[in-house]
Amino acid sequence: DTAVSQTPKYLVTQMGNDKSIKCEQNLGHDTMYWYKQDSKKFLKIMFSYNNKELIINETVPNRFSPKSPDKAHLNLHINSLELGDSAVYFCASSPLGSNNEQFFGPGTRLTVL
Amino acid sequence: DQQVKQNSPSLSVQEGRISILNCDYTNSMFDYFLWYKKYPAEGPTFLISISSIKDKNEDGRFTVFLNKSAKHLSLHIVPSQPGDSAVYFCAASPGGTASKLTFGTGTRLQVTL
Repeated sequence: DTAVSQTPKYLVTQMGNDKSIKCEQNLGHDTMYWYKQDSKKFLKIMFSYNNKELIINETVPNRFSPKSPDKAHLNLHINSLELGDSAVYFCASSPLGSNNEQFFGPGTRLTVL
Repeated sequence: DQQVKQNSPSLSVQEGRISILNCDYTNSMFDYFLWYKKYPAEGPTFLISISSIKDKNEDGRFTVFLNKSAKHLSLHIVPSQPGDSAVYFCAASPGGTASKLTFGTGTRLQVTL
């Protein structure tokens, strides 16, 4: 299946822990994104990478560190998790010149206890 | 500072009738507008888009209208089908490679039999 995939789908952890969410796309896209959907359902961009280079960083705490080992992968590592980090995190990708049509993964629901 | 607003959190429409979902924006730099559809526990799926140089774009049962002077766009679905029941997000972008999408808060559409 050609798609944007994320693992894990659900993540429950304690405050203070460090966790990672993985994202892979096999669509051949050059650009990948991380979005956060909070409890009020706002869907906000966090980061964007183009060919492994960071191009958008939306004032996200530096506890969040994206890593792109290659253009098909964009992982999100979160240090010292806080209660307010509980949200659904969506990965997305888009081809160059796509007029911003982005393809989203299924989301990872993170719950911090 | 919510630059994209969907003022109706929910909408109920009978099957076969027209569904009209509305979206307002404040940033005059937005150049490209998209509608996404989201089912529970899934990522948003691209539906239809429109460039600011157009005032209408049609794709099957879905039509998006853009009124730049009013900074308003709408999505028309006709005829509405039960499978259209989902949350619809309006999104806007200033355009260009890997521009970030700014999303509205979504409108939940329920199509009843």
